[in-house]
Amino acid sequence: EAGVTQFPSHSVIEKGQTVTLRCDPISGHDNLYWYRRVMGKEIKFLLHFVKESKQDESGMPNNRFLAERTGGTYSTLKVQPAELEDSGVYFCASSQARHTDTQYFGPGTRLTVL
Amino acid sequence: DQQVKQNSPSLSVQEGRISILNCDYTNSMFDYFLWYKKYPAEGPTFLISISSIKDKNEDGRFTVFLNKSAKHLSLHIVPSQPGDSAVYFCAASFNDYKLSFGAGTTVTVRA
Repeated sequence: EAGVTQFPSHSVIEKGQTVTLRCDPISGHDNLYWYRRVMGKEIKFLLHFVKESKQDESGMPNNRFLAERTGGTYSTLKVQPAELEDSGVYFCASSQARHTDTQYFGPGTRLTVL
Repeated sequence: DQQVKQNSPSLSVQEGRISILNCDYTNSMFDYFLWYKKYPAEGPTFLISISSIKDKNEDGRFTVFLNKSAKHLSLHIVPSQPGDSAVYFCAASFNDYKLSFGAGTTVTVRA
């Protein structure tokens, strides 16, 4: 069974540009999450989808971040315009139905904003 | 406001000995606790979990202990092996899906 995949693995952009990150969850997983780790600190929750609906977006830093999950399958996270403090590793995770079901993480996208 | 804290950024242990990783939390509503392991350039991988109704859970070489009154949990790895060298994250949640993570502890197992 394929795991969670993320694209790209690395992205280097200049301040003010736009970047779109993609996540493909494990097939059949209704729950999809985005997390971010900045500068070796804790991994912070950004948002949670159940199928195509945003269940919780309390961790989204500001309105420069836009997440979508078309048709309840893959998800994209767009940052527009990117700022220096957006640099970090963005992880996507997916899980089955219950809140205690294991969240399986992708390898992450390392975003560097110059 | 960081609700889960791992105060030891690193731990070095000799192969075959016990590794003890500690984690403290501030939110008494947390009811589910997890440990994840992360290798460089990979995503975190689930290791072991414990519900707040238990105080211990074992899985092979890994045991997690929960002390609710102290708001403290720990992960014991016995015996430690070179493949255990990684970053370990403590995480917690309360009746929802959002995980709150600590900053991680880097474990190095020396031969």
